[in-house]
Formats: sequence, structure tokens, C-alpha cells
Amino acid sequence: DTAVSQTPKYLVTQMGNDKSIKCEQNLGHDTMYWYKQDSKKFLKIMFSYNNKELIINETVPNRFSPKSPDKAHLNLHINSLELGDSAVYFCASSLSNGQGGYTFGSGTRLTVV
Amino acid sequence: SQQGEEDPQALSIQEGENATMNCSYKTSINNLQWYRQNSGRGLVHLILIRSNEREKHSGRLRVTLDTSKKSSSLLITASRAADTASYFCATGYNAGNNRKLIWGLGTSLAVNP
Repeated sequence: DTAVSQTPKYLVTQMGNDKSIKCEQNLGHDTMYWYKQDSKKFLKIMFSYNNKELIINETVPNRFSPKSPDKAHLNLHINSLELGDSAVYFCASSLSNGQGGYTFGSGTRLTVV
Repeated sequence: SQQGEEDPQALSIQEGENATMNCSYKTSINNLQWYRQNSGRGLVHLILIRSNEREKHSGRLRVTLDTSKKSSSLLITASRAADTASYFCATGYNAGNNRKLIWGLGTSLAVNP
């Protein structure tokens, strides 16, 4: 059973399009995250949700809109895609009590052409 | 910069040798975590060490933490080709009501057969 699963794994799309990435975790964690990893492997936090409530929003363009229908799901919708959005996007989850580390999904490689 | 810093940026060793990676950070922390990322995959949590701990072991992994020097080291003993990956440290700290992780840029380890 996959603990944190995100879909799709690969996404190639044209500039200006709108796309969504989905994430689900079956670990019973109460906090979920979206990270962006650029070509230099730097991991940048984008959003964090705790029990469906947005707790971290790190200076991300408002073209990016997360949605958490329940604490097991955190989706990411991106409007008007730009070339600079090309990256690998990782979903992760954890417990808010600080026990244990983060569990990451396998990533979504987004290429904007 | 809020980033942790790993040292070295890249390390190449022969199978069977030990590999040591270091991480320095700037803020007071609650914990420090080490993760591994294989090429094209998500990050995998290896070890979490709390700020009141000095050393932790997990199999062939040994992590030390020196809060006075704001540094940590990850030692992989008797390395294997399968240990080839990027290794990231992440420091956990409280920011108001939120817990945050600050990520380093990673050490790229190559274990040659």
C-alpha cells in the first residue's frame, strides 16, 4: 500500500493551461504539505495544511491554489502555467505533534512547454 | 539565508568505505532530520534526532548532533552501491503555532562498486 500517493507522476502541458495535481495519504497524519524541487534539488515549502486548515503559505503566486477536502487529501491547482513552473512537486505528510518525520510522495514532474 | 548547509556538496567513495556528511544550521531547533533521495524519487526519512539527544543509530547509520556548534553529521558505515543518493538534512523548529522544517541543499553521494 502506498503511504503518500500523488498523481499524475508526469505532466507535460503548454503555457497558459490550468492543471491539477492530487495527493492522498493513508497514514492517519494530520498535516500535509506541497513542496517544489527545482533543477538544483532545492526543496521549497509551498503550502501546509493541518486538519484541512491552511497553516503555511510561503510567498507562492496566487496562480497556485491548494485545496484540502479532508485531512487525508491535499490537491494543488495551478492556473495559467508558466515556463518557470517546471519542476518536481512533492506532496508530504506528517504528524503535527513532531513525532516521526515526513513521508513523501514520489513526486510529479511538471514540464511546461 | 534560512537554509541549512550540507558539506560536502558531493562525495564519491568506494564500496565498503564509510561516508560522512555534515550539516550546519543557524536557528535553535527542536529536532534535526536526515532524508535520502534516490534519483527521480521522493525523499525517504532516515533518522530524527531531538535537540536534547547527542547521538542516534539506525542500522549502518549514525547521526550526531552538537547544538553548541549548531551542526550534525550523518555517518554511513560499510557503504554499498545502493547507498548512492542525495542526502538532505532538515531542521525542525517552532514558528508560532506551526512547526517548520528548513531544508539544506543536500549532499550527493556516489558509492562506486
